[in-house]
Amino acid sequence: NAGVTQTPKFQVLKTGQSMTLQCAQDMNHNSMYWYRQDPGMGLRLIYYSASEGTTDKGEVPNGYNVSRLNKREFSLRLESAAPSQTSVYFCATIRTDSGNTIYFGEGSWLTVV
Amino acid sequence: KNQVEQSPQSLIILEGKNCTLQCNYTVSPFSNLRWYKQDTGRGPVSLTIMTFSENTKSNGRYTATLDADTKQSSLHITASQLSDSASYICVVSARGTYKYIFGTGTRLKVLA
Repeated sequence: NAGVTQTPKFQVLKTGQSMTLQCAQDMNHNSMYWYRQDPGMGLRLIYYSASEGTTDKGEVPNGYNVSRLNKREFSLRLESAAPSQTSVYFCATIRTDSGNTIYFGEGSWLTVV
Repeated sequence: KNQVEQSPQSLIILEGKNCTLQCNYTVSPFSNLRWYKQDTGRGPVSLTIMTFSENTKSNGRYTATLDADTKQSSLHITASQLSDSASYICVVSARGTYKYIFGTGTRLKVLA
């Protein structure tokens, strides 16, 4: 997982609080993604950014906002956290040449109480 | 609807034994299929990537197969080791999209 750094690793929030998950990559890739992983479900796409300055909704965008600050950084913001947002969040970047390998960060464990 | 289904959901084997994990998909038009290994508390790490024209690919003790006609893939692990204990996730992408469809994974436990 070298090259994709997520912070924080763990966070507990109260319902209604806001927070931002940070993601940075040093691989000079254009595409960056935010996924959530819940028990018994595959990773689900929240938002993605095909290139600097562009963002698009994935399959579960409600309750989240994103910012592609520059080519390296892609942040995910929860404006008013809800218990349903308790999950493990993964940032990923895609090497868009032969193979299109996906590189994941180490994950951020978020609990909303 | 694009879907990826994996079986079994979980598997326990003894160290040194072989095992095979299955992945069936309904993603269309198909672009490629990947297998990822996810250790507990870590992010997924790529094992193999296969395109439509490839029907087998190896990475050490891991061998993936793909049958694009039946839309099935398998991941065979040879001579399992304790470090193989992890979740194995099948991921399929559709041609012309930025989106990837993830299976729910098979949780493998290798016992000494």
